[in-house]
Amino acid sequence: AQSVSQHNHHVILSEAASLELGCNYSYGGTVNLFWYVQYPGQHLQLLLKYFSGDPLVKGIKGFEAEFIKSKFSFNLRKPSVQWSDTAEYFCAVNGGPNTDKLIFGTGTRLQVFP
Amino acid sequence: DSGVTQTPKHLITATGQRVTLRCSPRSGDLSVYWYQQSLDQGLQFLIQYYNGEERAKGNILERFSAQQFPDLHSELNLSSLELGDSALYFCASSYMQDYGYTFGSGTRLTVV
Repeated sequence: AQSVSQHNHHVILSEAASLELGCNYSYGGTVNLFWYVQYPGQHLQLLLKYFSGDPLVKGIKGFEAEFIKSKFSFNLRKPSVQWSDTAEYFCAVNGGPNTDKLIFGTGTRLQVFP
Repeated sequence: DSGVTQTPKHLITATGQRVTLRCSPRSGDLSVYWYQQSLDQGLQFLIQYYNGEERAKGNILERFSAQQFPDLHSELNLSSLELGDSALYFCASSYMQDYGYTFGSGTRLTVV
């Protein structure tokens, strides 16, 4: 079965620091990959998604992610974080062929201090 | 407002009771997904409905059931509640070809 691993459970950064959150998935076939963000007390919102094409995907709020098929990875990056980026970040992948069910990682809690 | 409406926002109930959570999908979306979010399990997929029919099933307990009505709203029924059922229950919707979800704000269920 498809699975998603997010190895960083809790990341603490100062403003202006660079961010990279790891995401690895298990399925070796065609995948659709997503990053969602959940701000404190709010619902999950889509940051970016990858279906095909350019493996470097740009999303909202200055985030980007790179799909590396050989490493089964889809890491999220931001060159300079802000205090307002404090949130929980979830990587997700479609659950396999012929399904639009998403499997989520356990999330990474990001705290950014001024 | 994401366009996906979940009610109620908060629910406190006793063990052994039964509750119903409601979700109205974003206009035009045919699929509804239910997820359970707890601190130790993360986001767990429960069940998906597409245009009124069950499409996929995940880690949903037999005490839980769901349905999607002709107007596409969905209800998740949780019965014989246990303390461990306390969690955030999210509903999401999507249009089939889009593969992106729109999430509701969730229902926080507390079982005491």
